[in-house]
Amino acid sequence: EPEVTQTPSHQVTQMGQEVILRCVPISNHLYFYWYRQILGQKVEFLVSFYNNEISEKSEIFDDQFSVERPDGSNFTLKIRSTKLEDSAMYFCATKGDFSDYGYTFGSGTRLTVV
Amino acid sequence: DAKTTQPNSMESNEEEPVHLPCNHSTISGTDYIHWYRQLPSQGPEYVIHGLTSNVNNRMASLAIAEDRKSSTLILHRATLRDAAVYYCTPYSGGGADGLTFGKGTHLIIQP
Repeated sequence: EPEVTQTPSHQVTQMGQEVILRCVPISNHLYFYWYRQILGQKVEFLVSFYNNEISEKSEIFDDQFSVERPDGSNFTLKIRSTKLEDSAMYFCATKGDFSDYGYTFGSGTRLTVV
Repeated sequence: DAKTTQPNSMESNEEEPVHLPCNHSTISGTDYIHWYRQLPSQGPEYVIHGLTSNVNNRMASLAIAEDRKSSTLILHRATLRDAAVYYCTPYSGGGADGLTFGKGTHLIIQP
């Protein structure tokens, strides 16, 4: 079964540093998303991305965050200057097309900011 | 956004059916009801969705109340691998829309 692959599985970074989380979507999928889950809390929507631009973003997705699909395959989430409260699991998700209702999630990247 | 209410946790025995309820009394008329589950240390996994009619797939069945204010996810024969947090969420189906997850129901399966 096709998978969404995320790397790295775990990243430790110092406060104030930039991090890039990577996702390889399912090859024919067109819609891409990032979610995060702080330990013990709900899964929260961050951003959706379609046709090389952001479609929708939540209040969490402030100027510290950015997304891009630089080479047409990898889908990345960049956090410019990490804060302690950015520590969380970050999940990438993809969807085939408008009529495809089910999202496929990756296994996540655990980001620890120290 | 439509609010959903689910029990915090439920417990069942292996190989028995499990009925997971969800109240979504403020759901809009065009929103689908989606169910996802999250196994330990994994991302959410799509289970099933429906609009008005009951639905079946290889993973589960979804029973939707006639007034659409509630639904029940049915696992016909639970296995230990079904132990997870189960989320119901309304979804409009638009490509740009993100899913809204609540706290879900933590399903515990006893051997």
